[in-house]
Amino acid sequence: TQLLEQSPQFLSIQEGENLTVYCNSSSVFSSLQWYRQEPGEGPVLLVTVVTGGEVKKLKRLTFQFGDARKDSSLHITAAQPGDTGLYLCAGGSWDSNYQLIWGAGTKLIIKP
Amino acid sequence: DADVTQTPRNRITKTGKRIMLECSQTKGHDRMYWYRQDPGLGLRLIYYSFDVKDINKGEISDGYSVSRQAQAKFSLSLESAIPNQTALYFCATSGEVGGLGYGYTFGSGTRLTVV
Repeated sequence: TQLLEQSPQFLSIQEGENLTVYCNSSSVFSSLQWYRQEPGEGPVLLVTVVTGGEVKKLKRLTFQFGDARKDSSLHITAAQPGDTGLYLCAGGSWDSNYQLIWGAGTKLIIKP
Repeated sequence: DADVTQTPRNRITKTGKRIMLECSQTKGHDRMYWYRQDPGLGLRLIYYSFDVKDINKGEISDGYSVSRQAQAKFSLSLESAIPNQTALYFCATSGEVGGLGYGYTFGSGTRLTVV
């Protein structure tokens, strides 16, 4: 059974600080996706990484896929209150017909 | 209009009642999913459908049933609601390689409370 573990489960920091959220597995994934979910809404896709070692940047957010394609990280530089939300990672692989396996999420609160 | 529409947005029902949650999508995708979200447990898959004639159980299908009425419509039923089915329910859709590229598109969710 493929599992994705996210850490930390909860993070509360001040505006302007940097942070990193982790997504780890013992399984290899063909791709790793990151979603952000705001209260009262469904998750929204932020990025997909597919190549081991791949780094993608989305403004102040930097996503990295591990070389072995078993883990990923999300780094936020100079966090802002608008970054507040639940961050979910999800892995897809050909042998699960590209259905996503979901992490439990990291709840992030950025205080002004 | 939203790509994925869920109705109702909120529902309070009594134990033992039958309730249906509805989902429709305008993405033109074949794949549709029903998830349940509880605090600290993430998204758990209830049922999924790869096309109108293909319906599969997810990890927590007991107590639930689904119907795929058309490519665009996928409904979830709780035959006899119980309090531990109180949760946030999400419908999602994807293309064949949603887990590889373009991802899943989610509805805004239904908050269900069983009293």
